[in-house]
Amino acid sequence: AQSVTQLGSHVSVSEGALVLLRCNYSSSVPPYLFWYVQYPNQGLQLLLKYTTGATLVKGINGFEAEFKKSETSFHLTKPSAHMSDAAEYFCAVITAGNKLTFGGGTRVLVKP
Amino acid sequence: EAGVVQSPRYKIIEKKQPVAFWCNPISGHNTLYWYRQNLGQGPELLIRYENEEAVDDSQLPKDRFSAERLKGVDSTLKIQPAELGDSAVYLCASSSETVNTEAFFGQGTRLTVV
Repeated sequence: AQSVTQLGSHVSVSEGALVLLRCNYSSSVPPYLFWYVQYPNQGLQLLLKYTTGATLVKGINGFEAEFKKSETSFHLTKPSAHMSDAAEYFCAVITAGNKLTFGGGTRVLVKP
Repeated sequence: EAGVVQSPRYKIIEKKQPVAFWCNPISGHNTLYWYRQNLGQGPELLIRYENEEAVDDSQLPKDRFSAERLKGVDSTLKIQPAELGDSAVYLCASSSETVNTEAFFGQGTRLTVV
């Protein structure tokens, strides 16, 4: 079985501050990992993904995430938050059989 | 290239009425997903198709929900009869034949059952 846990359903950051969103997964096989962003009344948009190779993955809008197998984590970071980063972020894992499973999401609020 | 297209965007119905959602995936994508997203939660898989075959429908409430994907392209998700608890956003996504690639999502259909 596979599952995804996102720590913190809400995160508030000041504009220009570091954004850190936590994601831990459980999987019996090497996972493929994703971060998606969802703006209000929109579908999900892919931010970045880890499949194989380099464990530090860079995505769109200045986001990056690092796959740490020993910690079963795939935390998402951005050095400097922008007002446009206010959205909901979902971590997801896909393993054998092409089944995509999502975490519960973290809503990011950016304060001016 | 067009993305995943869903219709309608919004739907309000009375309980016990039927409702249907339509999805047109990205051209050439063999895998199609239907997810339900309750307010403040992550998407939960309802059903996954590989071409026209439903390969994972374990989370689909089969007493009232049904889905089809004729000719392995467009898909329809139906609820009959709808209940108040079915109010949610229904998301369709598709991915290519390559295993373990990312899914591309439509904008969703927001269903309100009153």
